Amino acid sequence: NAGVTQTPKFQVLKTGQSMTLQCAQDMNHEYMSWYRQDPGMGLRLIHYSVGAGITDQGEVPNGYNVSRSTTEDFPLRLLSAAPSQTSVYFCASSPTTEPVTEAFFGQGTRLTVV
Amino acid sequence: AQKITQTQPGMFVQEKEAVTLDCTYDTSDPSYGLFWYKQPSSGEMIFLIYQGSYDQQNATEGRYSLNFQKARKSANLVISASQLGDSAMYFCAMREAGTSYDKVIFGPGTSLSVIP
Repeated sequence: NAGVTQTPKFQVLKTGQSMTLQCAQDMNHEYMSWYRQDPGMGLRLIHYSVGAGITDQGEVPNGYNVSRSTTEDFPLRLLSAAPSQTSVYFCASSPTTEPVTEAFFGQGTRLTVV
Repeated sequence: AQKITQTQPGMFVQEKEAVTLDCTYDTSDPSYGLFWYKQPSSGEMIFLIYQGSYDQQNATEGRYSLNFQKARKSANLVISASQLGDSAMYFCAMREAGTSYDKVIFGPGTSLSVIP
């Protein structure tokens, strides 16, 4: 009963380094999203996908890339980390059956860029 | 423009009392969904309750109810009989379904502290 699995849980990067945050879900959900959470700002949408091969930008996409080659996986790539990307990152998935009544979240990844 | 407004950054409530957390939203889409999530200090996001824009009745889930006032664009969360474990951040969120792709937008959150 895994649900949405994010790895790693914690990560420290140096400015300019690249890395990929992994997200996998085993519920056969079509919708997947990445959010970042910063104090006082709630969760802001970075990128989202409505199915394999389809991605789109959210509110704050700059500095991040995504791809969706399978239904299960939706990795988030930081190409050149910056201190402004220090945040907690959440991956979420939801089914497409209407109405969409809930998004399922991973446990989050706490990223620090120094 | 901010689409989800939560005007109470922090709230206190006495244990066993009821508390209302405010949420207003802005959309021109006639079809949308409203959510409330709880985030305890451990950090995970816990789904609480959902209200669809066409639902005639206010949603309820155990001690949680959603006071949905469509004309006012308001979706307040009511927690009855507060418990110490209710101390957490609470986020209101909206999903608009009027475009090709659906997005969920979150408010800034309200921090609730339950006092023994």
